[in-house]
Amino acid sequence: GAGVSQSPRYKVAKRGQDVALRCDPISGHVSLFWYQQALGQGPEFLTYFQNEAQLDKSGLPSDRFFAERPEGSVSTLKIQRTQQEDSAVYLCASSFLRGNEQYFGPGTRLTVT
Amino acid sequence: QKEVEQNSGPLSVPEGAIASLNCTYSDRGSQSFFWYRQYSGKSPELIMFIYSNGDKEDGRFTAQLNKASQYVSLLIRDSQPSDSATYLCAASGNTPLVFGKGTRLSVIA
Repeated sequence: GAGVSQSPRYKVAKRGQDVALRCDPISGHVSLFWYQQALGQGPEFLTYFQNEAQLDKSGLPSDRFFAERPEGSVSTLKIQRTQQEDSAVYLCASSFLRGNEQYFGPGTRLTVT
Repeated sequence: QKEVEQNSGPLSVPEGAIASLNCTYSDRGSQSFFWYRQYSGKSPELIMFIYSNGDKEDGRFTAQLNKASQYVSLLIRDSQPSDSATYLCAASGNTPLVFGKGTRLSVIA
């Protein structure tokens, strides 16, 4: 079946611009996660949804980061007023339930210039 | 601070040998453990998960968990050049999944 998809795959933004990153999870997966991965590091947790409810946003680095999943399926991660330190790969993962194995999408590589 | 520690490597093994990758975790409440493989420029790919103490085998891969020692390992038998990648260990309990920084494995033909 179809895996997790993300778009765009690459995004270049000028500092100060807003960006929106999309994630389409595996059909039927209740849990959706966003991670940020810097070069040479493991993924770092940003936020978690169970259906449409955002149950944990403890990893969001600042109030410029906002995520939503209004219908419990597709999710969008929005970054306002991007800064150079936001440059990273943003990964989305989904699982049937929290605690189960997570499957990752291909990621969006964000470069802020 | 909940942490997962891995040796960054590189770990070099000859083709056909057994590669042994190790990981320790700090949170005793962790219940689920995962190994992901990540090729350069690609996203993590799940290869093994383990929830109970002991060994779990799947093809050439064996995951080992020792909760008393807070230790997880991954053995890759008959290593192939295509196994060359970064291997990420991850742990979760009632908290979000925590990843290590990964161990880079290089299988030499």
